[in-house]
Amino acid sequence: QKEVEQNSGPLSVPEGAIASLNCTYSDRVSQSFFWYRQYSGKSPELIMSIYSNGDKEDGRFTAQLNKASQYVSLLIRDSQPSDSATYLCAVRGLTGGGNKLTFGTGTQLKVEL
Amino acid sequence: DAGVIQSPRHEVTEMGQEVTLRCKPISGHDYLFWYRQTMMRGLELLIYFNNNVPIDDSGMPEDRFSAKMPNASFSTLKIQPSEPRDSAVYFCASSRGGRNQPQHFGDGTRLSIL
Repeated sequence: QKEVEQNSGPLSVPEGAIASLNCTYSDRVSQSFFWYRQYSGKSPELIMSIYSNGDKEDGRFTAQLNKASQYVSLLIRDSQPSDSATYLCAVRGLTGGGNKLTFGTGTQLKVEL
Repeated sequence: DAGVIQSPRHEVTEMGQEVTLRCKPISGHDYLFWYRQTMMRGLELLIYFNNNVPIDDSGMPEDRFSAKMPNASFSTLKIQPSEPRDSAVYFCASSRGGRNQPQHFGDGTRLSIL
């Protein structure tokens, strides 16, 4: 079982729709969770972080965390073509002194006109 | 504020040559990470430093890879001798300490070994 799992996609949504990106993790004692966006040929860019169970909203983005189910998700409302990218889920556990991030392989999102 | 700065942006070299990648972390960040990204394996952590000291190098693929951090503002990742399978994008990232601190990535070095 991979430590952090994401569906590779591509996930295609029409412009204006809600895109839902999901991530599961295996380490039950994971502490903090991050979503990065990576455009093709570019570096990962932090868009959201979440540490407690529940929802966290920032503009069009909402991160959701359920530690009991070991599940974290990212919702993008009113999806735009500029949201088309690969979204990486990253999890920080306690291994390596709690400073390492383990990344999923990413979900490719395509927002279609 | 300046972000993480990596050089060179692109490197093309022949098999067997020595390759040196460079990174300047964000000022004030005491953690520095080196990653490698490929289509097949995704983003892999190679090594990370805390206060210039290597903490975990378990991701370094083999002895051909080495990394140093002589001071708080500079790190190198060296491959000697290079092989075609080392072709990838290499990212450097830095962060402050603390479990809620995110990592910030540089623009990466795209390495091609012919």
